[in-house]
Amino acid sequence: GIQVEQSPPDLILQEGANSTLRCNFSDSVNNLQWFHQNPWGQLINLFYIPSGTKQNGRLSATTVATERYSLLYISSSQTTDSGVYFCAVEDYQLIWGAGTKLIIKP
Amino acid sequence: DTGVSQDPRHKITKRGQNVTFRCDPISEHNRLYWYRQTLGQGPEFLTYFQNEAQLEKSRLLSDRFSAERPKGSFSTLEIQRTEQGDSAMYLCASSLGLNRDFDPYEQYFGPGTRLTVT
Repeated sequence: GIQVEQSPPDLILQEGANSTLRCNFSDSVNNLQWFHQNPWGQLINLFYIPSGTKQNGRLSATTVATERYSLLYISSSQTTDSGVYFCAVEDYQLIWGAGTKLIIKP
Repeated sequence: DTGVSQDPRHKITKRGQNVTFRCDPISEHNRLYWYRQTLGQGPEFLTYFQNEAQLEKSRLLSDRFSAERPKGSFSTLEIQRTEQGDSAMYLCASSLGLNRDFDPYEQYFGPGTRLTVT
């Protein structure tokens, strides 16, 4: 089956810093989503991005489907950005990476 | 659009008891998914419905687990004879899914039901 790997597993930054999270996947996919899981467990949709680049405020994402990776960029980090960021690819179900745990210190 | 809702949000039960969770998807969504997430891991797929039809089940879904979506709207997930290993967050998601053919659609998640088996 499709394997999804995320890096880094943990990231600690000061408020205001920029960060890049990476998602590699082992086979071609029809869909890729990025989520932010808040401390209460709610999964918040960030991007639906099977290919190309999208931006939403301080966040942007790029998926290069032919090279089987996606990147999530967070600029000017805020403490509310803390949490776990998941990448998931769709093969009729979502297949998830292990996540990147992001801690933003004030 | 009120989003995906799940009930209850928390459930504590004793080993051997049966539990049932409910999920109400976004109203116009035809596909409904159940996932399970344990601490420190990403979610794992359990099963999904296209309208009222259950189209796929993971091998994680042992015979103690059963899911229904009787009228193609809300869904229930029942766990019989709970075990401590069933302790997890149970997540429900829905997507538009216009037909049975595989077309990918963005999935939206509910807040989850956290199950603790003592």
